[in-house]
Amino acid sequence: DIVMTQSPESLAVSLGERATINCRSSQNLLYNSNNKIYLAWYQQKPGQPPRVLIYWASTRESGVPDRFSGGGSGTDFTLTISSLQAEDVAVYYCQQYYTTPPTFGQGTKVEIK
Amino acid sequence: EVQLVESGGGLVQPGGSLRLSCAASGFTFDAYAMHWVRQVRGKGLEWVSGISWNSEATGYAASVKGRFTVSRDNAKKSLYLQMNTLRSEDTAMYHCVKSSGVWLSHDHMDVWGKGTTVTVSS
Repeated sequence: DIVMTQSPESLAVSLGERATINCRSSQNLLYNSNNKIYLAWYQQKPGQPPRVLIYWASTRESGVPDRFSGGGSGTDFTLTISSLQAEDVAVYYCQQYYTTPPTFGQGTKVEIK
Repeated sequence: EVQLVESGGGLVQPGGSLRLSCAASGFTFDAYAMHWVRQVRGKGLEWVSGISWNSEATGYAASVKGRFTVSRDNAKKSLYLQMNTLRSEDTAMYHCVKSSGVWLSHDHMDVWGKGTTVTVSS
């Protein structure tokens, strides 16, 4: 199975400041035949199910604010919140969908400093 | 509105069985693969099982293989998870999840249900 490792485990950022979450996969998630990266980011707020934010490593889901962006290549990825808002307090997960079983990172908790 | 509503969770003794159901609405159910993902309270996400749009392909996490069976009824727009020989470590919230594509892999998960809670305890 592909192992997904996120860092840090938790992050406290001031309102309006940038938050960056890292995710590393144990295998390359770039599919050479179509040049796509099989990585998604999800946000889970307290008491709610997860919600997809980013897929193909950098494509924002419809309705997701543009302060959320995804980047990276191969095995190292980032989720950036350019200007943290109060409603962004949540746990964020990366997930690979390159192979079955799909696997998730352990999550990064983002809080307000 | 795209919606997934799970049911069937509850308290069961170790070794017992439960059948989870997921009712889908607001999208063409038989055009997408579906998954079950579980989450222990306060912990991370674990994929449990998935099924392709036409039921031809199914997959299971190693931790549940041989005990759980996933199925779907496209006419009823429903997904199921038959859970047998339950263990305490199966205690979790179980989410029904829609895939963005037709097969088990190569597509992200784009709609999540709120989940149904399974508690395995004597």
